[in-house]
Amino acid sequence: EVVLTQSPGTLSLSPGERATLSCRASLSVSSSYLAWYQQKPGQAPRLLIYGASTRATGIPDRFSGSGSGTDFTLTISRLEPEDFAVYYCQQYGSSPRTFGGGTKVEIK
Amino acid sequence: EVQLVESGGDLVQPGGSLRLSCSVSGFTISSYWMSWVRQAPGKGLEWVANINQDESEKYYVDSVKGRFTISRDNAKNSLYLQMNSLRAEDTGVYYCASGGMYHRFWGQGTLVTVSS
Repeated sequence: EVVLTQSPGTLSLSPGERATLSCRASLSVSSSYLAWYQQKPGQAPRLLIYGASTRATGIPDRFSGSGSGTDFTLTISRLEPEDFAVYYCQQYGSSPRTFGGGTKVEIK
Repeated sequence: EVQLVESGGDLVQPGGSLRLSCSVSGFTISSYWMSWVRQAPGKGLEWVANINQDESEKYYVDSVKGRFTISRDNAKNSLYLQMNSLRAEDTGVYYCASGGMYHRFWGQGTLVTVSS
């Protein structure tokens, strides 16, 4: 099983700042089969990125994904008020599919 | 507009059973893998199971193998999760999601509480 470790657990930033979220895998994620999701309280997750770097339909270009192998990054170039949420990475290169523990981006 | 609507969540005693349903509109599920993902209260996301288009492939997280069964009815555009021998650690919101790899569409979830 591929274990995904996200860091930091909480990121305290101000609107307009850049957010850099990390997702590290215990084994190499095949074919960069890694996705990122955003979840706000009381809501379902929302797909942001798949294939490590491809933005999902309707996702603003301030969100970008990068990485390969065991190290992946989600970057939010300039935080908007609606971006404060919890972010999860997920690998789908092997079964069982696994999610990271999440990074909470909170307003400083 | 794509909608996934889960139902069937309830309060159930340990050892009990529940059947969750997910009714889909806005796309035809017969062309897609489908999945269930759960979230314990205040915790992160956990993939539970997925199923291919003709039910010939089904996969489960180890913790539910032998207790949960995923199924689908393409004619009804619906996905199901039969949950038996429920445990306290199965408590959480259960989401229906499109796809067997990443998940583009999600339902709003249905709450399952296992408690005496």
